[in-house]
Amino acid sequence: AQTVTQSQPEMSVQEAETVTLSCTYDTSENNYYLFWYKQPPSRQMILVIRQEAYKQQNATENRFSVNFQKAAKSFSLKISDSQLGDTAMYFCAHGGSNYKLTFGKGTLLTVNP
Amino acid sequence: DTGVSQNPRHKITKRGQNVTFRCDPISEHNRLYWYRQTLGQGPEFLTYFQNEAQLEKSRLLSDRFSAERPKGSFSTLEIQRTEQGDSAMYLCASSLDRDTDTQYFGPGTRLTVL
Repeated sequence: AQTVTQSQPEMSVQEAETVTLSCTYDTSENNYYLFWYKQPPSRQMILVIRQEAYKQQNATENRFSVNFQKAAKSFSLKISDSQLGDTAMYFCAHGGSNYKLTFGKGTLLTVNP
Repeated sequence: DTGVSQNPRHKITKRGQNVTFRCDPISEHNRLYWYRQTLGQGPEFLTYFQNEAQLEKSRLLSDRFSAERPKGSFSTLEIQRTEQGDSAMYLCASSLDRDTDTQYFGPGTRLTVL
């Protein structure tokens, strides 16, 4: 069974600064995907970024990038130039051969003006 | 692309009543998933369909829960004899049968059982 751990229940950052959210996971699979989803107060889950485990290059999407350390089973999310609209719950998730996603408990990120 | 839609958005019911939720996936997405999210937790997998076939069910899905996806289009999730512990947000997601298999989520149905 897969497990995903997010050790930071809450974090805050000043607008325009950079913040890193941590995620570790455990899996017995060789081929899998990792995702970061964002859930704003309206509660619509939105995909932020994804990483294929077979790719060594870290994924980037505009201000969002990941640090994927496969051997350490670590998958952190870096948000650069934080904006007020980045305030949300952020969930790390693992997707494997059985297609279902296993989520962490989330990190509540608050961006302060 | 209109996204995944779910109805109703909110449902309040009394314990013991039956409720049914509907999910309309992104058109042409052949996989459809149901998750449950309680306050302060990440979503937990309930079940998923590939086209009209229900391929996996979580142990969380007790006998009171049933899901269908007739004709491989929309899906319904029914909860019979609701209990207060069923109060949660029920999320639906869909994806294409491709190697990345990224799931796109709907807004959810919030169920409150009194």
